[in-house]
Amino acid sequence: GENVEQHPSTLSVQEGDSAVIKCTYSDSASNYFPWYKQELGKRPQLIIDIRSNVGEKKDQRIAVTLNKTAKHFSLHITETQPEDSAVYFCAAFTFTGGGNKLTFGTGTQLKVEL
Amino acid sequence: GAGVSQSPSNKVTEKGKDVELRCDPISGHTALYWYRQSLGQGLEFLIYFQGNSAPDKSGLPSDRFSAERTGGSVSTLTIQRTQQEDSAVYLCASRRAGSGYTGELFFGEGSRLTVL
Repeated sequence: GENVEQHPSTLSVQEGDSAVIKCTYSDSASNYFPWYKQELGKRPQLIIDIRSNVGEKKDQRIAVTLNKTAKHFSLHITETQPEDSAVYFCAAFTFTGGGNKLTFGTGTQLKVEL
Repeated sequence: GAGVSQSPSNKVTEKGKDVELRCDPISGHTALYWYRQSLGQGLEFLIYFQGNSAPDKSGLPSDRFSAERTGGSVSTLTIQRTQQEDSAVYLCASRRAGSGYTGELFFGEGSRLTVL
């Protein structure tokens, strides 16, 4: 089955700096890669996603890049703000006729310090 | 309802007791997932339901765990003879399925289970 590895497990940055979180996946059939943000005590929520036919996607201060050959994808947050502090999860998803399981990485605790 | 609803939000039980956790997905969502999140840990896949297909149970950690989905809507996750290591937040998520839809999962608030 799919295996998703995520690094780093914790990340501390100064407000205004950039943050980068990296993930690798094992199943070459995976074709959809979402990122979820989970604030303390809250439910995970989708913040950005990318499909396998696209190499990069941006939405304001966040962007995601995908390298299908190397099977890795990354989340980039620019001009970080205190409200960006949360746990971020990457995931890999395969749309097939059978199981459409979304496998998550282990999460990155991002702390944005003033 | 407007979102995924889970109940109870908190459950404290004694070791050895059975518990049932309920998930009411967003109306029209045919895909339903259960995940487990232990304190400070990631999202561990448990089980996946898609329409009338046989569920993907590959993530259930032991035969004490089971889940069903009645009428393609509400799902119940049952844990028999609970153990302390079962203590975690159990998250349910639903997704629209079919071509043309995004893969976004909508999560419930979770059911926090504490086994004493």
